[in-house]
Amino acid sequence: TQLLEQSPQFLSIQEGENLTVYCNSSSVFSSLQWYRQEPGEGPVLLVTVVTGGEVKKLKRLTFQFGDARKDSSLHITAAQPGDTGLYLCAGAGDSSYKLIFGSGTRLLVRP
Amino acid sequence: DAMVIQNPRYQVTQFGKPVTLSCSQTLNHNVMYWYQQKSSQAPKLLFHYYDKDFNNEADTPDNFQSRRPNTSFCFLDIRSPGLGDAAMYLCATSNRVTETQYFGPGTRLLVL
Repeated sequence: TQLLEQSPQFLSIQEGENLTVYCNSSSVFSSLQWYRQEPGEGPVLLVTVVTGGEVKKLKRLTFQFGDARKDSSLHITAAQPGDTGLYLCAGAGDSSYKLIFGSGTRLLVRP
Repeated sequence: DAMVIQNPRYQVTQFGKPVTLSCSQTLNHNVMYWYQQKSSQAPKLLFHYYDKDFNNEADTPDNFQSRRPNTSFCFLDIRSPGLGDAAMYLCATSNRVTETQYFGPGTRLLVL
């Protein structure tokens, strides 16, 4: 069974601080998605990474896919209150329709 | 803009009263998914359609059914909602089963 361990589960930081969220697995994924979900809304896609070692940047967010495609990280620089939300990583297997979700990281950025 | 639309956004039903949630997409994707998400948890896949082929997850209760009359629309029917079915229901689409999934805004179901 494929599992994605996401950490930390909760993070409360002050505006302007940096943070990193991790997703780790013993399984290889063909791609990995990161989503942000706000209360009462559906997950919104932030990025998809597909190549081992790939780094993608989205303004203050930096996403990295591990060389072996088993892990990924999300780094936020100078966090803002608008970054508050639930961050979900989700991995796709080579042939499976099923996304494997991490347990989520609930981020609160205090003004 | 191409998107995934869910209606209604909020649905209140009574214990045991059938309810239908709807999803439509303008992405022309082949695959449509239904997820259930409870508070502070990751989404849980209920079933998906690849074109007209229906695929049920082994642990999805029989109380949950789905219909996909055409490429654009997919419905989730809950035949006899229980209190434990109160949750956010998410629809998602992808072009192929291994490709990125795009989620709708969700329908929050309350069972009284």
